[in-house]
Parts: sequence; C-alpha cells; structure tokens
Amino acid sequence: DVKVTQSSRYLVKRTGEKVFLECVQDMDHENMFWYRQDPGLGLRLIYFSYDVKMKEKGDIPEGYSVSREKKERFSLILESASTNQTSMYLCASWGGRVLTSPLHFGNGTRLTVT
Amino acid sequence: AQSVTQLDSHVSVSEGTPVLLRCNYSSSYSPSLFWYVQHPNKGLQLLLKYTSAATLVKGINGFEAEFKKSETSFHLTKPSAHMSDAAEYFCVVSDQGSGNTGKLIFGQGTTLQVKP
Repeated sequence: DVKVTQSSRYLVKRTGEKVFLECVQDMDHENMFWYRQDPGLGLRLIYFSYDVKMKEKGDIPEGYSVSREKKERFSLILESASTNQTSMYLCASWGGRVLTSPLHFGNGTRLTVT
Repeated sequence: AQSVTQLDSHVSVSEGTPVLLRCNYSSSYSPSLFWYVQHPNKGLQLLLKYTSAATLVKGINGFEAEFKKSETSFHLTKPSAHMSDAAEYFCVVSDQGSGNTGKLIFGQGTTLQVKP
C-alpha cells in the first residue's frame, strides 16, 4: 500500500513565523499535491508538483511556496504565517496513468497560527 | 469548467436506516467521478470511483453510487447505516481540463452523523 506521511500532526506557530510542512511518499509517485481543508469549503489545491523541481500553482497559492528537491518529498512553506492560514493541510500523491487512478492522502497537519 | 456540488452539508440518520448523500456535477467532458471518505483525524480514503464501465458502482463498506448522465448526478447510497460510517464524505471530479495530472476538484463535503 502507498504510504504518505506528513511529519507533524499538529503545529502551533506565531504570526510572521516561517513554517515548513513536510510530506513524504514511498511509492515513487511523480505527482504530489498540497491541499488546504476548511469547513464548508472542501479541499482547495494550493500547489502541485509533477516532477522533481517542477511545480504548478493551484487555486489558492498566495502566501505559500513549495519545494521538491527529491521525488519522495514535497514541502509546503508558509513564508510569513498569518492567522488566516490556520487550517488543516493535506498532502497527496498520484502515480496513475489514467484519470481514474486515486490520490493517496496523508493524515493531515492541523496548523494553528496565533 | 468542471465542478461538483454536494447538496447537503450535513446528513443525520439512525443506525440501520438507509443513507443518501447527494452530488451533482458539471463537466464538458465525460467525467471521472469519485467519492472519498474522511474519518475524524484521518486523511481521505477512496470509497469508490466511476470508470464508465458501469453506471452503478460498488465501493467499500457497502456503499454504492449511481452515475446518471441525464441528471448529472452521482449520489452515494448505503442500505443500512453503521455507527462507523460517521465521517465526512467528498464527491470529487477529475480536473480533465489540466490534462492527465491527477488534479481533483472537490465538493464542499457532507458530514454524516449516525445516531444509535
């Protein structure tokens, strides 16, 4: 089974701090994603990466950046955390060749910015 | 543009009674549709997917969904709810406008409450 591991389950950070959220997958998948989950809004795509050092903006990239130096690791960076970035962050990977291949999700990181 | 709309943000049923979670989609392509489930403090898990091979799709834990093109719907059902079904459910469509990337478009989610 594919395993997607997010390094932190809960994080509490202060406004203005630089925050790193880490995600590792063990199935050699090419595509990885960062989503943000908020009540009533479902999941919204922040960034995705389709290869090492390759990235593409999703629907809500403002205030975020990403890093993919190795195929198995995809990091989400909050350059200067703000309270409106308090949310659940979900990482996912995809190695499918057809559109019906599912995403594999990590358990999420719940970030609180105070 | 593609989108999905989950018609209920919250559904409450009694244990042993049927479950219906409603989803409508909009797509100019032949859609690839999914239902994902998220149990408390967990990541999302694939429940079932529509592959165009059959309009009635069976998933895990006794759930199934029927693709109805004429109604642009993909409702999720289960004949008899269990307490363990309490979770958040997402109706999802593949973002085919971006090519074969795995990008998904999520509905807003439906919270299923199961009462004893």
